[in-house]
Amino acid sequence: GQQVQQSPASLVLQEGENAELQCNFSSTATRLQWFYQHPGGRLVSLFYNPSGTKHTGRLTSTTVTNERRSSLHISSSQTTDSGTYFCAIDPNTNKVVFGTGTRLQVLP
Amino acid sequence: GPKVLQIPSHQIIDMGQMVTLNCDPVSNHLYFYWYKQILGQQMEFLVNFYNGKVMEKSKLFKDQFSVERPDGSYFTLKIQPTALEDSAVYFCASSFLVDTQYFGPGTRLLVL
Repeated sequence: GQQVQQSPASLVLQEGENAELQCNFSSTATRLQWFYQHPGGRLVSLFYNPSGTKHTGRLTSTTVTNERRSSLHISSSQTTDSGTYFCAIDPNTNKVVFGTGTRLQVLP
Repeated sequence: GPKVLQIPSHQIIDMGQMVTLNCDPVSNHLYFYWYKQILGQQMEFLVNFYNGKVMEKSKLFKDQFSVERPDGSYFTLKIQPTALEDSAVYFCASSFLVDTQYFGPGTRLLVL
């Protein structure tokens, strides 16, 4: 079945450092979305980015569709960035598949 | 931004009883989804719904599960009867087309 792998599984940063989160998927995806899950569980959509590069604030998402990978770059990390980041894809089946997540902890 | 609401936020229920989870999606959205997340694990797709019908469902969407959106009101997930392994957080999401999904805050279900 469709696999979505995220790396690293967990990451600890000092405030101000940058982070690069990776998402690799095993078949062509019609859509790719990055989510942030607050420590309390609430989910927020960060990017809908099936291809190309998108920016918002300190976040940049780059998806290279033919290489089946996407990255999420967080610059100048803050303690409020702590939480879990998921990528999710829809592999042409409408059954959205979530990755395993990257747990980020940003220390003051 | 667009908001999806879920009612209730928490539900505790005895095994074997029925439970209905309610989702109030973004008003002009056409696609609706339910996801299940067991504590500490990744989110898993359950089902999606469009034009009054289930489009796709996963293996987690057992026969005891059903979804509906009567008359354009709440999008509901009903579990009847509930089992212990149904304890999880259930997230509802909606999208206008096959694009950005907006998630609700989740309903924490505990089956005793």
